[in-house]
Amino acid sequence: KNEVEQSPQNLTAQEGEFITINCSYSVGISALHWLQQHPGGGIVSLFMLSSGKKKHGRLIATINIQEKHSSLHITASHPRDSAVYICAVRSMIKAAGNKLTFGGGTRVLVKP
Amino acid sequence: NAGVTQTPKFRVLKTGQSMTLLCAQDMNHEYMYWYRQDPGMGLRLIHYSVGEGTTAKGEVPDGYNVSRLKKQNFLLGLESAAPSQTSVYFCASSSQRGPQGRDTQYFGPGTRLTVL
Repeated sequence: KNEVEQSPQNLTAQEGEFITINCSYSVGISALHWLQQHPGGGIVSLFMLSSGKKKHGRLIATINIQEKHSSLHITASHPRDSAVYICAVRSMIKAAGNKLTFGGGTRVLVKP
Repeated sequence: NAGVTQTPKFRVLKTGQSMTLLCAQDMNHEYMYWYRQDPGMGLRLIHYSVGEGTTAKGEVPDGYNVSRLKKQNFLLGLESAAPSQTSVYFCASSSQRGPQGRDTQYFGPGTRLTVL
């Protein structure tokens, strides 16, 4: 079993729909990251969470430490949101050197 | 600021050839990382560095070597390339803030390597 599991693997939505991507992890973490990888390949960090909720524009990320679960929501989705969204966790162990463990990604396609 | 840059962007090698990938960052970050990304798999850590002159193995280090002679540069070497090393390679950097170093990782644009 992978340490970081994402669901769904693929998601297709119509423009304007609300999208939710889930991430579950099995290890103790100090932080969880959500990343976005566009079709061109570049990877951008969207959020870093250690508790609660963060919002940036139409993106909302939440984390439940007790349940070892995080969600990324996209409100009023747009075709430019089409990308692969990646969840990654940072170990609680300081000696791990800020290393991240990545989920397999969720490929999102938003149709106009 | 350029952020994190990688050289080259594309490369084709024959089995047994060697090459070095260069990663450079201008953000004065302490930590640097090399990842590989393969279809159907998440990013996997090859090697990382917590400071100038130090390196450590990640999840998939075999077949690769690294060096961090200068804080801003992190080099990834393939001494004898194999087809299994065909992948997209990403470099990233981050700074350590606070006791648990929770800062964001900034990624380079990637290097697409094909080994024939």
